[in-house]
Amino acid sequence: AQRVTQPEKLLSVFKGAPVELKCNYSYSGSPELFWYVQYSRQRLQLLLRHISRESIKGFTADLNKGETSFHLKKPFAQEEDSAMYYCAPPRGQNFVFGPGTRLSVLP
Amino acid sequence: EPEVTQTPSHQVTQMGQEVILRCVPISNHLYFYWYRQILGQKVEFLVSFYNNEISEKSEIFDDQFSVERPDGSNFTLKIRSTKLEDSAMYFCASRTGLAGGGGEQFFGPGTRLTVL
Repeated sequence: AQRVTQPEKLLSVFKGAPVELKCNYSYSGSPELFWYVQYSRQRLQLLLRHISRESIKGFTADLNKGETSFHLKKPFAQEEDSAMYYCAPPRGQNFVFGPGTRLSVLP
Repeated sequence: EPEVTQTPSHQVTQMGQEVILRCVPISNHLYFYWYRQILGQKVEFLVSFYNNEISEKSEIFDDQFSVERPDGSNFTLKIRSTKLEDSAMYFCASRTGLAGGGGEQFFGPGTRLTVL
């Protein structure tokens, strides 16, 4: 069964500090992974997907098949990055959302 | 930019009552989903719907739940006899019919259901 873990429920960093949100998956087959973000009082929205290899809002994520990880990184956190972040591998036509990490960027 | 909409934003109901949560997916999308998020917990998949039938459902989606696309635009989730533990945020999502599983899903703002 596909499983995704996000070991940190809450991550606090200071503005300008690097941030890494961890995601590990157990998977059969070739994974395709997404990160979704939910800002305060807003809807869930796609942040990035590994297959597109793009950087959104300064965030990047590299799929590491050896470590079965898809950590989300940003070199310099901004206060507006404070949100809930969900790692989400698809399962068929659906998503299996990780438990989420609340990122709090302090001034 | 088109968005998924949901009504109402907040629904309060008595235990045992029926509720219908409404969603209007993005107009050219073909796949529709319901998820729920109990306060403080993760987002959980309930059901997916394609070509006017359920394509997959989770163990949460028992006989008390049903979905319907009564016309060309609305996608509804009905809970027949609500329980206290149904209190949660319910999200609707939709995506295009592009080939390949797991393409981007677009989420609605959610309906907060409170069962008293």
